Amino acid sequence: KNEVEQSPQNLTAQEGEFITINCSYSVGISALHWLQQHPGGGIVSLFMLSSGKKKHGRLIATINIQEKHSSLHITASHPRDSAVYICAARFSGTYKYIFGTGTRLKVLA
Amino acid sequence: DVKVTQSSRYLVKRTGEKVFLECVQDMDHENMFWYRQDPGLGLRLIYFSYDVKMKEKGDIPEGYSVSREKKERFSLILESASTNQTSMYLCASSSTDSPLHFGNGTRLTVT
Repeated sequence: KNEVEQSPQNLTAQEGEFITINCSYSVGISALHWLQQHPGGGIVSLFMLSSGKKKHGRLIATINIQEKHSSLHITASHPRDSAVYICAARFSGTYKYIFGTGTRLKVLA
Repeated sequence: DVKVTQSSRYLVKRTGEKVFLECVQDMDHENMFWYRQDPGLGLRLIYFSYDVKMKEKGDIPEGYSVSREKKERFSLILESASTNQTSMYLCASSSTDSPLHFGNGTRLTVT
């Protein structure tokens, strides 16, 4: 069965802290996506990964294909990073995406 | 920039009404999706389409149908709206090598 597990569910950090959100999946994937949703807002795509590492500003996403694991890191966190972060996997041979349950991040000033 | 546009931000309908939610994307994506998002349940797939006139049921298709007559447009139809269909509805599109792009959502209330 295709499954995606995300941790932690909730995370509170102080401004400036380094943050890591984890995502594990069950079988082979063709792509792993990280998404962001601010309270009351739409869903924005942050990264699409099939291997290695990507960086955009203070955000870094990594994926380890052998371990079936991806991480999203936020360096020098800021209150505006407060949002729900969701990983989504597109498993090989399908068009569909399986979503993690999301991580609700709150960064305190 | 990819744009996925949903026709309404907020809708209020009565029980039993037929409801149409429209979604248009401007990047020639093959794949389009309809999800609903409910607190504590995350994103659940209703239907998706991988080509014009092609559709497949997602995880919760009951009470819904879809139409994709043109590549850029994917419509979700609630045949007879019920109160348990009150939700946030999100349309998304993608192609094989592109990120998943979401519309801003339609918050539907059925009274």
